[in-house]
Parts: sequence; structure tokens; C-alpha cells
Amino acid sequence: KNQVEQSPQSLIILEGKNCTLQCNYTVSPFSNLRWYKQDTGRGPVSLTIMTFSENTKSNGRYTATLDADTKQSSLHITASQLSDSASYICVVSDRGSTLGRLYFGRGTQLTVWP
Amino acid sequence: EADIYQTPRYLVIGTGKKITLECSQTMGHDKMYWYQQDPGMELHLIHYSYGVNSTEKGDLSSESTVSRIRTEHFPLTLESARPSHTSQYLCASSTQGQEKLFFGSGTQLSVL
Repeated sequence: KNQVEQSPQSLIILEGKNCTLQCNYTVSPFSNLRWYKQDTGRGPVSLTIMTFSENTKSNGRYTATLDADTKQSSLHITASQLSDSASYICVVSDRGSTLGRLYFGRGTQLTVWP
Repeated sequence: EADIYQTPRYLVIGTGKKITLECSQTMGHDKMYWYQQDPGMELHLIHYSYGVNSTEKGDLSSESTVSRIRTEHFPLTLESARPSHTSQYLCASSTQGQEKLFFGSGTQLSVL
């Protein structure tokens, strides 16, 4: 069964600290993996997208890694800011259909305290 | 910044009412989607469209219906709302390759 599992479910860190969020998936065949940031009451916003051949991609203070062999990804946030408080969602796309179906994780709720 | 808009942002209605959630995008995307999201849960695809006059049901069964008469407009309708329809509804659109998926801000629907 194609699934995307994220950990931890929630995380609280102090402003300025770094953190790493995890994503494990069983989606096959794999096309790409995306990380989204979703502020409370808003729609998700894309942070990074990685294909099979990419093992790291950065977007400012956000760095995503991908290990396609172990089917694991991580999102590292450096020097956290209060505005980083949000849900971070891992999404995996397959290439087994014309739709290119997306499988969503439940997200990690990050809270950054001053 | 994504040019995809949803209205209303919040809607509280009584059981049995007919409602339409609006979604419009100005990016000229052919593909549009409706997702349903409950707190702490993953997004579920309920409807999608590949272009004008093309609509398909998604993975999650929904009593809602959609239409795609114009490229930029993808409204979702509930003929008779029930408390079980209470949820957040997110509209999205994408480029042809679906690599870039843009979401609207969502409509939080509460049915009393």
C-alpha cells in the first residue's frame, strides 16, 4: 500500500535553533517528492521538489534531502524564526498513472517559541 | 505568489442548504483540483479536471459536484449540506506536468 509517514507529529523549538523533520514513504513507482509549508488556515506552499536523481535541494533556510534507496526524506530548517511555525507536509508523486497521483503525509506541526 | 483564489474563506450554514465554493485561477492552468482536509489529517483529492468540460472524481468519495465551463473557474457545489461535510476545502491548479501545484487559501466550511 502506498503511504507517506511523517515524524514527529509535532515539534516545539526555540527561535534560532535548527530542526529536522522526517518523511518515510512506500510509494512505488516513484516520480518525485515535495515538501510544502502550510500556515494555519491557509493553503500549502511549495518549498522543494526532488526527483529520483536528486539527493539534496535547498530553498533559503530550508534544505531537503532524499534517499531513494531507503525511501526516506528529511527537511532541515536552519536558524528557525517565529514565522516558521506551520505544518510541514511531505508529498510523494508516483508515475504509475496519467494522473501522477500525489500521496500526502499528515504533516509535522512545528511551533517556534521566542 | 500563487494567483489562485477561493471564496468564501469561512462559511457557516445550516443543514440542508445548497452551497457553492468558488475557485478561480489566473495562471492559465489546465489542471485544477479540489482537496478536503480535516485537522491533523492528510489532504484527500475529491475532484479534478484536466480542462474545460473535463471533470473526474478523486480518491475520496464526496457528495459534492464540480463543473469546469471556463479554464479559470472550478466551482464546487453541495446540493444539501450536512454536518459531516464540515471540513476545509482546498482548491489547487498545476502546470501540465503537475510539478508545480499551487493552492488557494481554502474555505473552512462548518455545517450546523
